[in-house]
Amino acid sequence: GAVVSQHPSRVICKSGTSVKIECRSLDFQATTMFWYRQFPKQSLMLMATSNEGSKATYEQGVEKDKFLINHASLTLSTLTVTSAHPEDSSFYICSALQGRGANTEAFFGQGTRLTVV
Amino acid sequence: AQKITQTQPGMFVQEKEAVTLDCTYDTSDQSYGLFWYKQPSSGEMIFLIYQGSYDEQNATEGRYSLNFQKARKSANLVISASQLGDSAMYFCKGKGNTGKLIFGQGTTLQVKP
Repeated sequence: GAVVSQHPSRVICKSGTSVKIECRSLDFQATTMFWYRQFPKQSLMLMATSNEGSKATYEQGVEKDKFLINHASLTLSTLTVTSAHPEDSSFYICSALQGRGANTEAFFGQGTRLTVV
Repeated sequence: AQKITQTQPGMFVQEKEAVTLDCTYDTSDQSYGLFWYKQPSSGEMIFLIYQGSYDEQNATEGRYSLNFQKARKSANLVISASQLGDSAMYFCKGKGNTGKLIFGQGTTLQVKP
């Protein structure tokens, strides 16, 4: 299957700093990528849909100025958590869509565990 | 609104026995797909099996199979001959015509030796 690489897998940062998470589709082009947030023992919560060459579409309640998404190429989307606070500590995971229409499938990155201290 | 329901927050199963995890997709779409993923403690999402609404037969993939009931829009995951390594969180995901991907609440499965 297709491979999506997410980096870093784990990051600890100080409160007030910004953290960038990268999501790369290694062997396919992805016009659409998704960013999810997951708290322990809970489901994945969709944060935003990232479309190559255009602005991301954020889900209700997600601060777009707080979670900056850039999808500058067909193989890379980045999520930047700006001015991080301890409550931003979570597991962030991306997925990239491959294919079209009924044959579309989503492939997930390995996830990033963010800890803000 | 579309919704995926997994009614079992946690399940236990004895090693080597079979277990069924529930998933129902509340959607008005006639064409849809239901996916199952396994998420071990490492966090990665591992694709297990897929069922399309127009598939004639229940999907099977090794020890994984789906009990697909089209009228109920449910695709329950059956894991046969459970292994200790099957202990993980399992998510059902729905995909409808809108393209949006919706996850269920998840089921934590623990396999007892």
